[in-house]
Amino acid sequence: DGGITQSPKYLFRKEGQNVTLSCEQNLNHDAMYWYRQDPGQGLRLIYYSQIVNDFQKGDIAEGYSVSREKKESFPLTVTSAQKNPTAFYLCASSLEGLALYNEQFFGPGTRLTVL
Amino acid sequence: RKEVEQDPGPFNVPEGATVAFNCTYSNSASQSFFWYRQDCRKEPKLLMSVYSSGNEDGRFTAQLNRASQYISLLIRDSKLSDSATYLCVVNGAGGTSYGKLTFGQGTILTVHP
Repeated sequence: DGGITQSPKYLFRKEGQNVTLSCEQNLNHDAMYWYRQDPGQGLRLIYYSQIVNDFQKGDIAEGYSVSREKKESFPLTVTSAQKNPTAFYLCASSLEGLALYNEQFFGPGTRLTVL
Repeated sequence: RKEVEQDPGPFNVPEGATVAFNCTYSNSASQSFFWYRQDCRKEPKLLMSVYSSGNEDGRFTAQLNRASQYISLLIRDSKLSDSATYLCVVNGAGGTSYGKLTFGQGTILTVHP
């Protein structure tokens, strides 16, 4: 089955700790994205990557970091510098990045809670 | 003005009703548009893509009005299973490169028996 997987589904972290969220896709998509969603709000773009070994900051990149060493994988690290990290994190991918027609498909998400 | 704006609702309708959601966007240069459906505590799933004036898929019809900069989603013969949050999504809403999607905050629909 082709798709996007994220792990873990739920994650609890103590303040001051870094944590890494996993995102893997086997759709052979070039582009991958990370969003966060807060209650009652739309998704906000954290980082995106159009191709392996390249990534760009989104609208709310402060306190986050990413890597794109493999086409299939785009892990997100939430650092201790992120002031309000409790949120629902969604990974997405699309066939190509920054295209006119850019349908993005989402993984099931990771719900991060900082204790 | 927000880049993408939706009426948050909630909309409560009986089964079989027709319901319509509107969404406005600020960047007149935006070229492609999407409606996603999101169930409670789940990921968004693509419902429809809108590239020209509109699109129809069964009970769902999306229309685009470029002059007025709004997109609508019409659901006919509502089912209980249509209960969800509907996200309006615009490609290039922020005046930046294509491919960067901007999401509305969502419209909540509840269909009751």
